[in-house]
Amino acid sequence: GDSVTQMEGPVTLSEEAFLTINCTYTATGYPSLFWYVQYPGEGLQLLLKATKADDKGSNKGFEATYRKETTSFHLEKGSVQVSDSAVYFCALISSGGSEKLVFGKGTKLTVNP
Amino acid sequence: NAGVTQTPKFRILKIGQSMTLQCTQDMNHNYMYWYRQDPGMGLKLIYYSVGAGITDKGEVPNGYNVSRSTTEDFPLRLELAAPSQTSVYFCASSYSPGGSGANVLTFGAGSRLTVL
Repeated sequence: GDSVTQMEGPVTLSEEAFLTINCTYTATGYPSLFWYVQYPGEGLQLLLKATKADDKGSNKGFEATYRKETTSFHLEKGSVQVSDSAVYFCALISSGGSEKLVFGKGTKLTVNP
Repeated sequence: NAGVTQTPKFRILKIGQSMTLQCTQDMNHNYMYWYRQDPGMGLKLIYYSVGAGITDKGEVPNGYNVSRSTTEDFPLRLELAAPSQTSVYFCASSYSPGGSGANVLTFGAGSRLTVL
């Protein structure tokens, strides 16, 4: 079945450091890929997405590129801020009419001033 | 502009008790979902619905029931609470399947349930 594998956390960085959170996937066909973010005490919200190979999703300084050849969708940010502290989830939905989003286990990021 | 509203936010149950987690959305979304979030385990899909009157099992449906009598409401019922059901529960909705295409998945703020 479809699955998403994220790098294990937690990740702790200093402000202005470079961030990478790895995400790889297994899916049939051509899935759409997502990054969701969960700030403390809140529900998840969409951070960015990509719907086909080589697409780059971007939002709030975060970027991720859909790499079909490596089945990856790594999240990056050049300079993190304390306000980026949150749990980040990689997710996919398969092509072919599936109604269900499949999530990775999440990676907790803490950014220290 | 309420979005997805879940109640209650917190609840403590004794083993064997029953309760219903309420979920309401005001965006006229057809698709609704219940997830549970356990520490270090990500989100697991419990049940989902593609429209009023239609529900289907997700990955971890045992011990839960749902109904979808209206487009707006998608309650989740626990009949005989067990400690294994201690978790944070999230309801979500979307216009398109799984939040694909131009329409994203919108989540509620969560309901934290403890079964003792």
